[in-house]
Parts: sequence; C-alpha cells; structure tokens
Amino acid sequence: DSGVTQTPKHLITATGQRVTLRCSPRSGDLSVYWYQQSLDQGLQFLIQYYNGEERAKGNILERFSAQQFPDLHSELNLSSLELGDSALYFCASSVAGHPNTEAFFGQGTRLTVV
Amino acid sequence: GQNIDQPTEMTATEGAIVQINCTYQTSGFNGLFWYQQHAGEAPTFLSYNVLDGLEEKGRFSSFLSRSKGYSYLLLKELQMKDSASYLCAVVYNQGGKLIFGQGTELSVKP
Repeated sequence: DSGVTQTPKHLITATGQRVTLRCSPRSGDLSVYWYQQSLDQGLQFLIQYYNGEERAKGNILERFSAQQFPDLHSELNLSSLELGDSALYFCASSVAGHPNTEAFFGQGTRLTVV
Repeated sequence: GQNIDQPTEMTATEGAIVQINCTYQTSGFNGLFWYQQHAGEAPTFLSYNVLDGLEEKGRFSSFLSRSKGYSYLLLKELQMKDSASYLCAVVYNQGGKLIFGQGTELSVKP
C-alpha cells in the first residue's frame, strides 16, 4: 500500500458526460501528480500541484481541469468525455515540489467511456 | 521532443540476468527513474540516477551515462514475479516534468 488513495476504482460513463476523480496523497506529501495511461500512449503526465498551486503542466486537454484543496487532496475533472478518454488515471504524490524525488502512485481509476 | 526509447518487449528465463535499455534526449536532463508496473497495478519506484555510474540495490541495478543519453536496468537472478512492465522516466529542467517512456514488458519464463 503506497498510502495514496484514489476513488473511485472504476467508473463507467457515457460520452459527453463529466466526471470527477479524487486523490488523497500520502500523509506529509505536498505534491500531487496526475497521469493518464492508455494502451497506445503509455503513462502521460497531465498536471502537478504543489501545496495548493499548479506547479507544472503536461499534455492536459482543455476539457480537463484539476485542483488541490487546502487539505492537499486533489480532484481531476474530465468533461465532455469522448471514447478516447477511456484510460487508467493515476495520481501520485511526493514530498517535494520538484519531480526529482520518489513518487508514490495510487491504484488508479479505470475510466470507461461508452 | 523528449523522446524516451525502450524496447517494447523482452523475454528471459528464471534465474538469468536481463538488461533493459533506455535512451533519451540529453538536453535539459535532470535525473532518471526506473519504475516497475505489474499489469493493472500502480507503478512502484525501483531506482533513481542523476550522476553517471551504477546504483545497486539488491537484485536490481541501474546505470546512467549522461553524455550518451543512456541508462539501463539490470535484473539478476530473475524470478517469475519479475514479470512486469519496466518504465524509464526522465526529469527535464524545462517545466520540471517527469516524462515516462512507453515501458518494456518483461516476461520471465520457467
């Protein structure tokens, strides 16, 4: 158990809908990272938050947004869902604001868009 | 771009040694990780290299050559449970991002 909690574990929804994925980082970790993993794309970095503020941005679509709350948990919002958004979404946390420290991954949320 | 290249698949025999290579673009390099990921599970940390040379940790070792843009992960005394995907990930200065390669799917056979 990495100490990072993601909910829900599985999500099935229809195209055009909006969903929210939730992540609770390990106790003491200030950074939260979101990744998307699909079969043909590998693990793609989406966005990083550090202590409530956006720190780095990757290949995140405009239909996607995220935030980190004062209690350090984070939410990833995916809207106007398309079939191609079906993937495993991972959250990871680390103690530092830079990515040169070990990150601990949650078990992921498997999103299926039908 | 920040292409990170690894072989897609490898097969090895239980008890043997296997080396998984990773090449990356050197511009802006600021560290390299290896993660292990079993199917459907979360990636877990194996090693981190930022200076040239070999880092050994039990059955696993990782090597880095910054000038060549090259790293490898060496797995010794292979066990069946080592069957997994091995992800090479590079930290780049620009934007402070951790970029993952596509991963190498290792199958360990009896």
